[in-house]
Amino acid sequence: DTEVTQTPKHLVMGMTNKKSLKCEQHMGHRAMYWYKQKAKKPPELMFVYSYEKLSINESVPSRFSPECPNSSLLNLHLHALQPEDSALYLCASSQVIRTLRSTGELFFGEGSRLTVL
Amino acid sequence: GIQVEQSPPDLILQEGANSTLRCNFSDSVNNLQWFHQNPWGQLINLFYIPSGTKQNGRLSATTVATERYSLLYISSSQTTDSGVYFCAVEGLYTGANSKLTFGKGITLSVRP
Repeated sequence: DTEVTQTPKHLVMGMTNKKSLKCEQHMGHRAMYWYKQKAKKPPELMFVYSYEKLSINESVPSRFSPECPNSSLLNLHLHALQPEDSALYLCASSQVIRTLRSTGELFFGEGSRLTVL
Repeated sequence: GIQVEQSPPDLILQEGANSTLRCNFSDSVNNLQWFHQNPWGQLINLFYIPSGTKQNGRLSATTVATERYSLLYISSSQTTDSGVYFCAVEGLYTGANSKLTFGKGITLSVRP
């Protein structure tokens, strides 16, 4: 069983809808990530939170809005998405290894498969 | 940024066969992971292996950091090994906002 839990597993939304993806981890990790993955491609990093602060935003459009309410939770708020935003959205977490400035071992959730109509 | 190349891109095996998957990278790394993505999309950790050798059941991995490559060995393959195998690395000198760079993946199909 994965220790990173994502909900919902599947989401269908229209272009005018507002929805949220949720992620929770109980491994005591202090870094959390959102990745986007299109079919037959590797995951692409969207956002990184380190100690509940946004540390990396990979030039993601503002229709995606991340939120990290506490060290265990990560949300991705979705608004006015486009059909090309349909993808698998993966949440991950890791320890922060500051001495090495390293990501540490990354653990992924099962993903939320998003379809935008 | 660091470049990651995986080979072969596709691999078809008969059940019970052994295989070796390769990951080459272009710079020194402080993090290297192998993942298996199953047909339902879940990315499963196989190994965290920036250097050295590890084994877990039928799977083992070796990273030779000085020569900038890592190998994933699958022995006695099973149909459940099918899926995409990703290598992801993090460069040693990428600074405070370091991140993992993924290879394009190796698609493995194990036939019964």
